[in-house]
Amino acid sequence: GQSLEQPSEVTAVEGAIVQINCTYQTSGFYGLSWYQQHDGGAPTFLSYNALDGLEETGRFSSFLSRSDSYGYLLLQELQMKDSASYFCAVSGSARQLTFGSGTQLTVLP
Amino acid sequence: NAGVTQTPKFRVLKTGQSMTLLCAQDMNHEYMYWYRQDPGMGLRLIHYSVGEGTTAKGEVPDGYNVSRLKKQNFLLGLESAAPSQTSVYFCASNLGDSGARAGELFFGEGSRLTVL
Repeated sequence: GQSLEQPSEVTAVEGAIVQINCTYQTSGFYGLSWYQQHDGGAPTFLSYNALDGLEETGRFSSFLSRSDSYGYLLLQELQMKDSASYFCAVSGSARQLTFGSGTQLTVLP
Repeated sequence: NAGVTQTPKFRVLKTGQSMTLLCAQDMNHEYMYWYRQDPGMGLRLIHYSVGEGTTAKGEVPDGYNVSRLKKQNFLLGLESAAPSQTSVYFCASNLGDSGARAGELFFGEGSRLTVL
């Protein structure tokens, strides 16, 4: 089976940097994705790492270490609109994703 | 470009009733998925399809059936609804390539189902 662990809640202030960690146990690992979801709306794709290292997309970066079964999402210059749930997810052979339980990020003014 | 469209968006059923959720995508994606999301939890995969005419079971397939008769459509059926199937259902699609965006799923807005 597959399992992922991420913190349930994170709080930070506007303008700060926050890191959301994700550890996983899986068979047949193809990649680690990150998604953002506002108030039960449609999840939206943030990033995908198939290889070790850091991927940067604007204020968001994602890191993967396959040997440690570990990844993180880094959010810089936090804005109020970044308050949302963030999910890590591992990919299977058919791109099907197994999601973690999500991290609720609260950005304070 | 509508992306992924789900219908209906809301539905209330009585225990034992049947219904079908429709997912349509206009991006010519090969892979399609049905997930459910319960309060405070991540999304759990119900069934998926890797192409027209194919379906496969996900993590929580019991009580659901699916069909992919056309590439652009993926139907989720509940034959005899139970209160435990009260949830938000999300459909998603993926291009099916192996590039940098292989892990990118495009989601619909969700279908909120209540079973009384």
